[in-house]
Amino acid sequence: GNSVTQMEGPVTLSEEAFLTINCTYTATGYPSLFWYVQYPGEGLQLLLKATKADDKGSNKGFEATYRKETTSFHLEKGSVQVSDSAVYFCALKWGSQGNLIFGKGTKLSVKP
Amino acid sequence: NAGVTQTPKFQVLKTGQSMTLQCAQDMNHEYMSWYRQDPGMGLRLIHYSVGAGITDQGEVPNGYNVSRSTTEDFPLRLLSAAPSQTSVYFCASSWTGGDGYTFGSGTRLTVV
Repeated sequence: GNSVTQMEGPVTLSEEAFLTINCTYTATGYPSLFWYVQYPGEGLQLLLKATKADDKGSNKGFEATYRKETTSFHLEKGSVQVSDSAVYFCALKWGSQGNLIFGKGTKLSVKP
Repeated sequence: NAGVTQTPKFQVLKTGQSMTLQCAQDMNHEYMSWYRQDPGMGLRLIHYSVGAGITDQGEVPNGYNVSRSTTEDFPLRLLSAAPSQTSVYFCASSWTGGDGYTFGSGTRLTVV
């Protein structure tokens, strides 16, 4: 079946460090891929998305590229800030119903 | 524009009690879903709806019931609460299968 695997956390970085959170997926066909962010005590917010192979999603300095050959959608940011501290979820959407399948989430803590 | 509104934000139930978690969206979205979030498990789909009058089961539907009489509302009913249903519940909505979902701020439910 369809599934998403993302790196386990927590991840702790210093401010201005480079961030990579790995995400790989298993799916038949060509799903859409998403990164969501959840700040403490809040719901999930869509961070970025990509709907076909080689698409790059970007938002707020974060980027992720849809790599069909490696079935991956890794999240990157060149210089993290304390305000980026949150839990990040990779997700895919497949099928006409458009339901999301989530990874287990990666908690990021950025220290000043 | 309120987006997706969930009520209540917090609830404590005794084992065996029933209750309804409310979800309303004002974006005229066709798709609506309920997820539960548990530590280390990511988000798991409970039930979803692709339009008024149409609902279907997700990954973990047991113990929950839904209906969709209007486009705006998608309530989740717990029939007889159990401690295993202690979780944070999120409602989400979307225009079409290709778009990202908008999430509510969640309901934290504790069953004692």
